[in-house]
Amino acid sequence: EVQLVESGGGLVQPGGSLRLSCAASGFTFSSYWMTWVRQAPGKRLEWVANINQDGSEKYYVDSVKGRFTISRDNAKNSLYLQMNSLRAEDTAVYYCANGIAFDSWGQGALVTVSS
Amino acid sequence: DIQMTQSPSSLSASVGDRVTITCRASQGISNYLAWFQQKPGKAPKSLIYAASSLQSGVPSRFSGSGSGTDFTLTISSLQPEDFATYYCQQYNSYPITFGQGTRLEIK
Repeated sequence: EVQLVESGGGLVQPGGSLRLSCAASGFTFSSYWMTWVRQAPGKRLEWVANINQDGSEKYYVDSVKGRFTISRDNAKNSLYLQMNSLRAEDTAVYYCANGIAFDSWGQGALVTVSS
Repeated sequence: DIQMTQSPSSLSASVGDRVTITCRASQGISNYLAWFQQKPGKAPKSLIYAASSLQSGVPSRFSGSGSGTDFTLTISSLQPEDFATYYCQQYNSYPITFGQGTRLEIK
């Protein structure tokens, strides 16, 4: 059974940093594209970033370019999202998902950016 | 960016009804279209990928069709557990984009 478990969310002040992690199991992690998607309260889903199998390709939505960095550690079956210079509009539940078509999703991690 | 527009935005239906949700892309996306179901407070669940391929474990009452710019998700006979919000998503090009969602409610 595929399991994706996010961690690292919390309350952070504007301008602060946070690192999200996603622990994967139940599939061959190193064979899959991985993705971060977020959902602000009451809003639609928003793709944030994704990364290919070996980490050589990374793509970001414009609103996070230069502030967020996606990475992975295939030896640890883990996906990461380093979030810097956080803004109030980054407040959302952040999900990790696997596969090019987002086949399975984690339960989400809440990130709140507020003073 | 490719805009994804779903219709209707909300829908009331009864158990046993046949329901169709439409998704239109602002430009052609071939068949790089997925559908997701989300219940309140829960993570999205993948239903369909490549416009018409059913994810493993998803009931056969769900089906998808379309190519290019116009797509549909059909639920052949609504069950109580199907009342949720449904999102389409294109993964043909970056940025990957989602529709605004269709909220399916019990009549």
